[in-house]
Amino acid sequence: DSGVTQTPKHLITATGQRVTLRCSPRSGDLSVYWYQQSLDQGLQFLIQYYNGEERAKGNILERFSAQQFPDLHSELNLSSLELGDSALYFCASSVGRDRAGNEQFFGPGTRLTVL
Amino acid sequence: GQNIDQPTEMTATEGAIVQINCTYQTSGFNGLFWYQQHAGEAPTFLSYNVLDGLEEKGRFSSFLSRSKGYSYLLLKELQMKDSASYLCAVPPYSSASKIIFGSGTRLSIRP
Repeated sequence: DSGVTQTPKHLITATGQRVTLRCSPRSGDLSVYWYQQSLDQGLQFLIQYYNGEERAKGNILERFSAQQFPDLHSELNLSSLELGDSALYFCASSVGRDRAGNEQFFGPGTRLTVL
Repeated sequence: GQNIDQPTEMTATEGAIVQINCTYQTSGFNGLFWYQQHAGEAPTFLSYNVLDGLEEKGRFSSFLSRSKGYSYLLLKELQMKDSASYLCAVPPYSSASKIIFGSGTRLSIRP
């Protein structure tokens, strides 16, 4: 158990819908990262927050948005869903901003299926 | 830009040794991570190298050559449970850069 929690574990929805994925980082970790992993593909970095502020942006679509709240939990919002958005979405947390190469701890992931 | 290359798949025999290579091209450098990921599960941290050389941690060792942009993960005394994907990743080196992961090497262990 990494200490990072994600809800829900599974999500099945239809095209065009909007969903929210939730992540709680390990106690004391200030950075939260979101990743997308499609079937048999590598991890695609989406976005990072550090202590409530956006720190880095990766290949995140405009239909996707995220935020980190004062209690440091984070939410990833996916809207106008398409079939290709079906994937495992991982959240990870680390102590620092990542410049020092801090190890990331990954949550169990949310498996999103868009029908 | 940044780029990471790893072999897509490898197969090895239980009890043997396997080396998984990773090459990277980045404008700056702030170390390199190796993560293990079993199918359908979250990645878990294996190692972090920032200086050249070999770091050993039990059955797993990781090597880095910064001048060659090259790292490898060495797994000894392979066990069936080592069947997994192995991801190398390069963390950001500046405020303008971001972490990138290689696409992973899927390692299959045969009895």
